[in-house]
Amino acid sequence: EPEVTQTPSHQVTQMGQEVILRCVPISNHLYFYWYRQILGQKVEFLVSFYNNEISEKSEIFDDQFSVERPDGSNFTLKIRSTKLEDSAMYFCARTTGQGAMETQYFGPGTRLLVL
Amino acid sequence: QKEVEQNSGPLSVPEGAIASLNCTYSDRGSQSFFWYRQYSGKSPELIMSIYSNGDKEDGRFTAQLNKASQYVSLLIRDSQPSDSATYLCAVIKAAGNKLTFGGGTRVLVKP
Repeated sequence: EPEVTQTPSHQVTQMGQEVILRCVPISNHLYFYWYRQILGQKVEFLVSFYNNEISEKSEIFDDQFSVERPDGSNFTLKIRSTKLEDSAMYFCARTTGQGAMETQYFGPGTRLLVL
Repeated sequence: QKEVEQNSGPLSVPEGAIASLNCTYSDRGSQSFFWYRQYSGKSPELIMSIYSNGDKEDGRFTAQLNKASQYVSLLIRDSQPSDSATYLCAVIKAAGNKLTFGGGTRVLVKP
């Protein structure tokens, strides 16, 4: 059973369009992460979100990106105006454990293709 | 210098042999270390975590950590064709922080 589910599994969009990627936790977690992986490249951190606030964000996470938890359960990543280079797999991750023993488990991902 | 470095491979091993994967990291403040397995087109799947120097064994997998040398390794014993995947090394500097990944080592287990 997955730790989190993500929807959609695949999304194709036109450049300049807005996309919303969703992460649905199986249980009630406070700490979430978004990562992305461009085809053939390494997994990169985007943003961490704790208790309804951004905890840390990377240089990749510019003004085109936003995260929120609109209804207290779903956790969304929005890209306002997609670019070709946004094409990637986007992974949501949740944590388990505490302190130095904290471990992150990844959802199945959303494959985004920007045309 | 890359934060987390891995040999990209492919590492080709015969079925039943031991696969040995290596990873080095640059930040001495790193506290937690992980190995993820990633099949093509799939998400990273956690296979091992290690937090203190020494060895940690879980089934056919053994992780080794040497903080003085900033080195973490993964051994896969009795390699199976289903172990063919990309293995990602990742580190966390402190609790609650992001995972920083290496580029991964592709492993091919040949029957």
